[in-house]
Amino acid sequence: EVQLVESGGGLVQPGGSLRLSCAASGFTFTEYWMTWVRQAPGRGLEWVANINQDGSDKYYVDSVKGRFTISRDNAKNSLFLQMNGLRAEDTALYYCTTKDFWGQGILVTVSS
Amino acid sequence: QAVVTQEPSLTVSPGGTVTLTCGSSTGTVTSGHYPYWFQQKPGQAPRTLISSTNNKHSWTPARFSGSLLGGKAALTLSGAQPEDEAEYYCILSYSGDREVFGGGTKLTVL
Repeated sequence: EVQLVESGGGLVQPGGSLRLSCAASGFTFTEYWMTWVRQAPGRGLEWVANINQDGSDKYYVDSVKGRFTISRDNAKNSLFLQMNGLRAEDTALYYCTTKDFWGQGILVTVSS
Repeated sequence: QAVVTQEPSLTVSPGGTVTLTCGSSTGTVTSGHYPYWFQQKPGQAPRTLISSTNNKHSWTPARFSGSLLGGKAALTLSGAQPEDEAEYYCILSYSGDREVFGGGTKLTVL
């Protein structure tokens, strides 16, 4: 059974940092591009970043460039999103996905 | 950055057929945009229905199909069921492997 389990979310003050993790199982992790997608409360899906199979190519939506870093550890079947300089508009449910499979999401709230 | 457009809302009768579309501000959508279609119900994570234009998953009901139609990606639902009422999103890939979601289509089965 494919599982993507996100962790690391929570409440953080503006300007703060969080590191999201996604533990993958049930499929060959090294064969897939991995993606972070977010959904602000009551809003649509927003593509945030993706990373290729060996981690050598990474792409970001303009609004997070220079603040967020996507990475992966293929030995541990894990995906990460380091989020620095967080803003109120980063508040959202963050999903880890291969685009075929999805996690349940983890909530990030940026508020003072 | 490209803008991906979807119908904000559509209504279909039970048993009826409806087509949702996914257009790009850059022009014609092709298979090279690798369009995906996702279904999301309230309080749930998205679920992938169609990958890379027209590929179904084992969990994709047979009544859903993907295609390219009139310069756009399309998701056709034939024989709508009450449980198909949901929000539907498409995503397109652009050069440099950046991706953009459409704004979503709220589908009502009524």
